[in-house]
Amino acid sequence: ETGVTQTPRHLVMGMTNKKSLKCEQHLGHNAMYWYKQSAKKPLELMFVYSLEERVENNSVPSRFSPECPNSSHLFLHLHTLQPEDSALYLCASSQDLLLGLAGEETQYFGPGTRLLVL
Amino acid sequence: SQKIEQNSEALNIQEGKTATLTCNYTNYSPAYLQWYRQDPGRGPVFLLLIRENEKEKRKERLKVTFDTTLKQSLFHITASQPADSATYLCALVDSSASKIIFGSGTRLSIRP
Repeated sequence: ETGVTQTPRHLVMGMTNKKSLKCEQHLGHNAMYWYKQSAKKPLELMFVYSLEERVENNSVPSRFSPECPNSSHLFLHLHTLQPEDSALYLCASSQDLLLGLAGEETQYFGPGTRLLVL
Repeated sequence: SQKIEQNSEALNIQEGKTATLTCNYTNYSPAYLQWYRQDPGRGPVFLLLIRENEKEKRKERLKVTFDTTLKQSLFHITASQPADSATYLCALVDSSASKIIFGSGTRLSIRP
């Protein structure tokens, strides 16, 4: 296992529910990411945080709301989701941003949360 | 339009042979490109990184090449083993937009 954990691993929710996904990294990294992975589709970057500040939001619907209370924790709050939002949600971290001081970065992914919206 | 493509959705080869996976891109300015391995029910795991000014990188049985003229990266696994069976993802970090774009992956199966 990597140093990135995600809970829950599986989640089933109705369209009117509110739920949250949690990610924690134990690597001392400064950057954290949320991705969506749907069947037969590429990984889609949703949000990027650096030192607890959001630096990227890739046109994600407002029913997804990220929160980064500190550099080790990242949340994705879910509200009034649609069935097409069913997917694997992956969290990742890296020492710094992808084009930071080092010029290159490796991302470490968590195991993901498998979400089913009914 | 911008796109990144992994040409084969699935690839089946005999154990011991070399597996070659392809990643092509258009209308990106890559700073570097990465290859990841993903097993079912797990997150991707980083394998290799190659910069835009590098031609080739190796790590044990793995080799990556990068041809910015052809706009293509090749990923090779030599002496393949059934344990190498997984989905392999290429990911490009674009220098102009500071963003990462993933290919849809190639599912590799190594038969004994």
